[in-house]
Amino acid sequence: NAGVTQTPKFQVLKTGQSMTLQCAQDMNHEYMSWYRQDPGMGLRLIHYSVGAGITDQGEVPNGYNVSRSTTEDFPLRLLSAAPSQTSVYFCASSFQMGGREAFFGQGTRLTVV
Amino acid sequence: AQKITQTQPGMFVQEKEAVTLDCTYDTSDQSYGLFWYKQPSSGEMIFLIYQGSYDEQNATEGRYSLNFQKARKSANLVISASQLGDSAMYFCAMREDHFDNYGQNFVFGPGTRLSVLP
Repeated sequence: NAGVTQTPKFQVLKTGQSMTLQCAQDMNHEYMSWYRQDPGMGLRLIHYSVGAGITDQGEVPNGYNVSRSTTEDFPLRLLSAAPSQTSVYFCASSFQMGGREAFFGQGTRLTVV
Repeated sequence: AQKITQTQPGMFVQEKEAVTLDCTYDTSDQSYGLFWYKQPSSGEMIFLIYQGSYDEQNATEGRYSLNFQKARKSANLVISASQLGDSAMYFCAMREDHFDNYGQNFVFGPGTRLSVLP
């Protein structure tokens, strides 16, 4: 059971480049989400999805796009990377209702130069 | 306004002693969950313990217990018999049970860095 898998683990981008952070889970969870972690601020919600075809914005959605075409995958797209997007990104998944905890991926450390 | 407050940026504890990490929260919802996650230097988020707002007993998971004081909106984590491997960042988080997001969106505090001294 792989749980939540994020790729890549590390990435360096130049300002203006685009890229996609991948997230996949094999637990048949309906709910998936993306967070970013910045020093001194804990994790903040970027986007989330309550099922295939349904996504919504979290606290800090600007500069990011998401889509959910399958239950398993929830990619996060940076359309034009900015230094302010330098952060550690976590994908999480959980059961639709009644789940106690979220299952987190290992994180992706992104640096935009 | 901050929904989760962790007032201790850093804490030290002697090995084998107990330590309490503070967490206060702010919500007007009646139904919510409180969580503690551990983040070691390797970076992964490790679930430690959960307390539901309607749970009358304080949650316990092995050496971890959650001191839940609902009227004070406090959810402190107590680690008993600290071990060197407990050195890590600890995050308090809240999940408000809203129907529109299936009650799964978390709000995290800024974290407390715990260092266990030999």
